[in-house]
Amino acid sequence: KAGVTQTPRYLIKTRGQQVTLSCSPISGHRSVSWYQQTPGQGLQFLFEYFSETQRNKGNFPGRFSGRQFSNSRSEMNVSTLELGDSALYLCASSLGVTGNDGYTFGSGTRLTVV
Amino acid sequence: QKEVEQNSGPLSVPEGAIASLNCTYSDRVSQSFFWYRQYSGKSPELIMSIYSNGDKEDGRFTAQLNKASQYVSLLIRDSQPSDSATYLCAVVNFNKFYFGSGTKLNVKP
Repeated sequence: KAGVTQTPRYLIKTRGQQVTLSCSPISGHRSVSWYQQTPGQGLQFLFEYFSETQRNKGNFPGRFSGRQFSNSRSEMNVSTLELGDSALYLCASSLGVTGNDGYTFGSGTRLTVV
Repeated sequence: QKEVEQNSGPLSVPEGAIASLNCTYSDRVSQSFFWYRQYSGKSPELIMSIYSNGDKEDGRFTAQLNKASQYVSLLIRDSQPSDSATYLCAVVNFNKFYFGSGTKLNVKP
């Protein structure tokens, strides 16, 4: 069974640009969550989508947005990139009905903003 | 107060010893509890889940849950250098996951 697939694995962008990251969850998983991980801050929750609806949202500025498609694939977008957005962005999927099944994480997208 | 608290470590144990990792959480209605292992530069990997009070064993790993005291622990028996990683505790309330900041474990040969 294929795992959670994130593309691209690495990205280098310039300040002010925007970026779109993609996540394909495990087949049958309806919940997709996004996290930002930096060395000093640990895992910071961005948002969660379930059946194409944003179900939960973290405390990030409006520059960070996401969406989920009918096939459960998800994208997140960061506009007007800042140096502080450099981080590992992780996508995680779960069946999503009760939360009891836990997350499976993708390998992440490492974003560097220069 | 953070929803999930972990000692950041590092926790150093000799090879073959028992490593004990602890986690406390703030919300009494938390329903599900997970331990993830994260190697440097890699993504978190689910290693244990526990839902009811008591112990749950899986190989060298034992998860312990005490809802009255609001803590979860992970014991790693016969620790190996390959267990050196950061261990993240996660607590779930109604589909919302809360992660601790992780405890770094060093197992010395």
